[in-house]
Amino acid sequence: DAMVIQNPRYQVTQFGKPVTLSCSQTLNHNVMYWYQQKSSQAPKLLFHYYDKDFNNEADTPDNFQSRRPNTSFCFLDIRSPGLGDAAMYLCATSGGSTSGRANEQFFGPGTRLTVL
Amino acid sequence: DAKTTQPPSMDCAEGRAANLPCNHSTISGNEYVYWYRQIHSQGPQYIIHGLKNNETNEMASLIITEDRKSSTLILPHATLRDTAVYYCIVRVDNAGNMLTFGGGTRLMVKP
Repeated sequence: DAMVIQNPRYQVTQFGKPVTLSCSQTLNHNVMYWYQQKSSQAPKLLFHYYDKDFNNEADTPDNFQSRRPNTSFCFLDIRSPGLGDAAMYLCATSGGSTSGRANEQFFGPGTRLTVL
Repeated sequence: DAKTTQPPSMDCAEGRAANLPCNHSTISGNEYVYWYRQIHSQGPQYIIHGLKNNETNEMASLIITEDRKSSTLILPHATLRDTAVYYCIVRVDNAGNMLTFGGGTRLMVKP
C-alpha cells in the first residue's frame, strides 16, 4: 500500500546532541510537510517542500532544518535539541491525484522525540 | 486561513450518531472546510472536505450551512474506534497549502 513512513517511531537524544528524523513516501507526492506536536496540543507546521522549493514558517526556530534529497525522502534535522523540543514530529505529504483527493494531506505515524 | 471554533470535548454513545459542530464565521469564498481526526498516538487522518454542498463518503457526512459560517461533521454510527480528536480546518484548496490546526474536539465514544 502507498504510504508515508517515519523511522524510527521513538527517538531518544541528549540535550544538545544533533538528531535527524526521517520520512519517506511511496505516494510520489510533490509536497512534504513537517509538523511538531507537543503533548496535548494540536500539530504545528514547521516547514514544507513543494518539489525542491523549501518554505519555512516564520516562527520556526533556526535550530530546525530540513533536507529533501529526492521526491521520496525528507529529513528533519534538529541541530541542538533542547528539552522544549521533546514532541511528536509528524511528516505529511500532498499532491498528485490519489483517489481524486489531490490536496488531502497524508500523515505518517510520527516520531516521538525524547530529549534527556 | 480563517479560524475555526469547536467545542473542546463531546461524548457519544456507541452506535449513535455523533454530530460535531464547527464555527468558521470568517471563511472566505474560496476556502474549503476540511475535517481530520487524530486517534491517540497516530498521525492525523483525512475524513472529508467540502466547499458549500453537503458531502458524504464512507466515513462521514459533512453538512455546511447555506451562509457557510458553520458546519457539522456527522459520524452516523459511532464506534469505540472513533474516539479521537476531530479537527475542523478551513483552507484554500491548493496542493501546497498547509493545515492550520485549531484546538479540535475530543470525541469520546462510550459503550
